[in-house]
Amino acid sequence: AQTVTQSQPEMSVQEAETVTLSCTYDTSENNYYLFWYKQPPSRQMILVIRQEAYKQQNATENRFSVNFQKAAKSFSLKISDSQLGDTAMYFCAFTTGANSKLTFGKGITLSVRP
Amino acid sequence: GAVVSQHPSRVICKSGTSVKIECRSLDFQATTMFWYRQFPKKSLMLMATSNEGSKATYEQGVEKDKFLINHASLTLSTLTVTSAHPEDSSFYICSARHPQRGRIYNEQFFGPGTRLTVL
Repeated sequence: AQTVTQSQPEMSVQEAETVTLSCTYDTSENNYYLFWYKQPPSRQMILVIRQEAYKQQNATENRFSVNFQKAAKSFSLKISDSQLGDTAMYFCAFTTGANSKLTFGKGITLSVRP
Repeated sequence: GAVVSQHPSRVICKSGTSVKIECRSLDFQATTMFWYRQFPKKSLMLMATSNEGSKATYEQGVEKDKFLINHASLTLSTLTVTSAHPEDSSFYICSARHPQRGRIYNEQFFGPGTRLTVL
């Protein structure tokens, strides 16, 4: 069974600073996909970034980037130049393929301080 | 593109009544939709996978007779909470697998959720 672990329940960061959210996962599969989702107070789930396991290059989307360490089964999210609108719960998620379910971590609550 | 809607956004009902929640993919056809339940400050818990034209697949521990799922068309799945009780109060979220992006990345697009309160 696949598992996703987010061990930090909460984090806080000053506006304009950089913060890293950690995520580890466990699987015996070789081909899979990893996601970070953001859930702001509105509770709408928003895809932040996606990483394909077969790609060695870390994914980047504007201020958001990941550090994907396949051997260590680690998938951390770095948010640069934090903004107040980044305040949300962030979920790390994993899936093995097109017909598979998403497995979510417990989530982390990120607060950006003005 | 890839918008998923849910209706209603919030509903309050009396104990013992049934409530139906709709999930629609507005600009794409989704053969597979998912229903999740979320408690405050907690993660999403998958309840069932809804497949168009066939029976839903329920996760272990989810009562299929209590949470009825119907996926009658490629753009609509419904979740009916039957004989609702206060412990069914929760936030229910649906998602739809995009036909192209889902095939490549298993990407799901999420609805805005429905807050159910059972009195």
